[in-house]
Amino acid sequence: EAQVTQNPRYLITVTGKKLTVTCSQNMNHEYMSWYRQDPGLGLRQIYYSMNVEVTDKGDVPEGYKVSRKEKRNFPLILESPSPNQTSLYFCASRIYVSDTQYFGPGTRLTVL
Amino acid sequence: SQQGEEDPQALSIQEGENATMNCSYKTSINNLQWYRQNSGRGLVHLILIRSNEREKHSGRLRVTLDTSKKSSSLLITASRAADTASYFCATVYDQGAQKLVFGQGTRLTINP
Repeated sequence: EAQVTQNPRYLITVTGKKLTVTCSQNMNHEYMSWYRQDPGLGLRQIYYSMNVEVTDKGDVPEGYKVSRKEKRNFPLILESPSPNQTSLYFCASRIYVSDTQYFGPGTRLTVL
Repeated sequence: SQQGEEDPQALSIQEGENATMNCSYKTSINNLQWYRQNSGRGLVHLILIRSNEREKHSGRLRVTLDTSKKSSSLLITASRAADTASYFCATVYDQGAQKLVFGQGTRLTINP
């Protein structure tokens, strides 16, 4: 089944404890991105990647890192999480020639 | 700033009625997409309409686009309880980055 998977789905952590949210897609998509969704602010893009080893900042990249060593994986790294990063995170992917994005199920992160 | 603004923010109707949601955007677009999000879950792509199209249908969905008014509408006919969800319009304004910019969504409730 074609899908985007994220892990973990739920995470409660404490300020400053490094964490990684994984994202993987099995559709051979070139483009992948991360969004966060907050009440009243909608979805905002954090980082995106056009292909392996090519990443760039979105609208709200501060406090986040990403890497794209393999085409299928695009992990989101929070080196020192803070409470303002408490949010619902979505990974998405698409094939380069298409405009339609496929979203993962989301990761609900709480930073205490 | 967000490209798309949905109206209304919330809509509650009876099952079987039609639901109409509107989206306005600010700058020229390549295409406009509508996504559905069930509570706390990932977004699912519904339909895409390109800037040179005026109307598009998919099952019970009908989307219109008026580029002169920079607006779009999503009509769901013969609504069902399963249509209860949040609906987002999203526009692509940076062709290179292919960043989707989302509005804040319309929360649709279908009452049985």
